[in-house]
Amino acid sequence: EAQVTQNPRYLITVTGKKLTVTCSQNMNHEYMSWYRQDPGLGLRQIYYSMNVEVTDKGDVPEGYKVSRKEKRNFPLILESPSPNQTSLYFCASRLGTALWDEQFFGPGTRLTVL
Amino acid sequence: QQQVKQSPQSLIVQKGGISIINCAYENTAFDYFPWYQQFPGKGPALLIAIRPDVSEKKEGRFTISFNKSAKQFSLHIMDSQPGDSATYFCAASGSNYQLIWGAGTKLIIKP
Repeated sequence: EAQVTQNPRYLITVTGKKLTVTCSQNMNHEYMSWYRQDPGLGLRQIYYSMNVEVTDKGDVPEGYKVSRKEKRNFPLILESPSPNQTSLYFCASRLGTALWDEQFFGPGTRLTVL
Repeated sequence: QQQVKQSPQSLIVQKGGISIINCAYENTAFDYFPWYQQFPGKGPALLIAIRPDVSEKKEGRFTISFNKSAKQFSLHIMDSQPGDSATYFCAASGSNYQLIWGAGTKLIIKP
C-alpha cells in the first residue's frame, strides 16, 4: 500500500530532551516536507526537501533540523524542544516539484513538550 | 502574515444542503489552488484543485469557483452528507513549490 508513515504517533517529552520523529514514504517520491498544524493557523511548512541531500527552510524552521540521506526517509529532529513546539506534526511527500503533483500526508505526530 | 484567508472558521449545514467555504489570497503569483479534506486523527488529503486558467472545476458533488480579479476562490459541496463532516483547508502555491494554507474550516453536517 502506497503510504507515508510517521513514528511515533504520540510523544510527551520535557524541555531540552532531544527527539526525532521519523518519516518514511514508499512511493519513490522526490519531494518531502514537514508541517506543523496549530489551531487557527492551518498548516505551516517547517522544512522541505526536493531530493536526496537537498533540504531547505520553510516558513517556521527555527528549532528544527532535518536530513535527507535516503530518498524514502526524512526525519525531523528537535535538538532542544521547548513548550512552543507542542503541536501536531505532519510529514508529506509528492512525486516531484510540479505544483499539481498531489501531496500525500502521513497520519500525524502529536507532540507535547512540558 | 497569513497570505490565504479562509472563512468561516466553522460551519453547520443540514443534510442535503449546500456547504460553501471561501478563501482569499494576496499574492498574484499564486497559480495553483487545492482544497484538502481532513478527518479527525488523519492527515489532510487532496480533495480537488484548480488552476487560474479556468473559473470553475467540478468533481462529483464538489465544485471550486475561482475569481481571479477578486483573488478569491471557494469550495461548494452540493447535497452535503454527514460523511462530509471534516475540516477543510484551502491552499495556494506559486513557483517556489510551497503551499500556503488557510486556517481551516470545521464543517459539521447535521442529519
